[in-house]
Amino acid sequence: DAGITQSPRHKVTETGTPVTLRCHQTENHRYMYWYRQDPGHGLRLIHYSYGVKDTDKGEVSDGYSVSRSKTEDFLLTLESATSSQTSVYFCAIGTGVGYTFGSGTRLTVV
Amino acid sequence: GQQLNQSPQSMFIQEGEDVSMNCTSSSIFNTWLWYKQDPGEGPVLLIALYKAGELTSNGRLTAQFGITRKDSFLNISASIPSDVGIYFCAGANYGGSQGNLIFGKGTKLSVKP
Repeated sequence: DAGITQSPRHKVTETGTPVTLRCHQTENHRYMYWYRQDPGHGLRLIHYSYGVKDTDKGEVSDGYSVSRSKTEDFLLTLESATSSQTSVYFCAIGTGVGYTFGSGTRLTVV
Repeated sequence: GQQLNQSPQSMFIQEGEDVSMNCTSSSIFNTWLWYKQDPGEGPVLLIALYKAGELTSNGRLTAQFGITRKDSFLNISASIPSDVGIYFCAGANYGGSQGNLIFGKGTKLSVKP
């Protein structure tokens, strides 16, 4: 078990509110990723990090920001949630052989 | 950006049947990976392939790294109900440090008992 946890597991929020999802790892891996998964689209990369305070955009980064102030934590923030951001969000860590994924956060924006 | 074409998108099979799925790319990769996602969970790594032509097995699963380095195949023999889930291929080019994976859109497998 690579020791990656996501919180919360489920969240319902209202349109226009800010939302922060947390990813925590216990194994000191340098690379961390945020994906969203939607039917018909597979896994789409939102943002990733290659070290503390080093982050970069993925293919669907609009409306999202990230922060990594400590190696173990990678936060994803929706500044002003919209219904199109209803999705399942997965965090992953790069372990040298592919990624290890968290169990996901199901976010519903109403 | 780079894209992987994974097929089929979905499969409905009878328990005991063999399953084949594949992934193709317009770019070459030096690593191919196959993941399985159980309902309500994150994807889990099944098999990693590092060399063109390589054939690797994990129980009833066998995956191959295509000779052209632009494709990969996954076979499941004698399927059972717990094989249900979404299977993802992923390609990467590792050059001494972590490379970003490119994922296919997944093959959703349903197994009838």
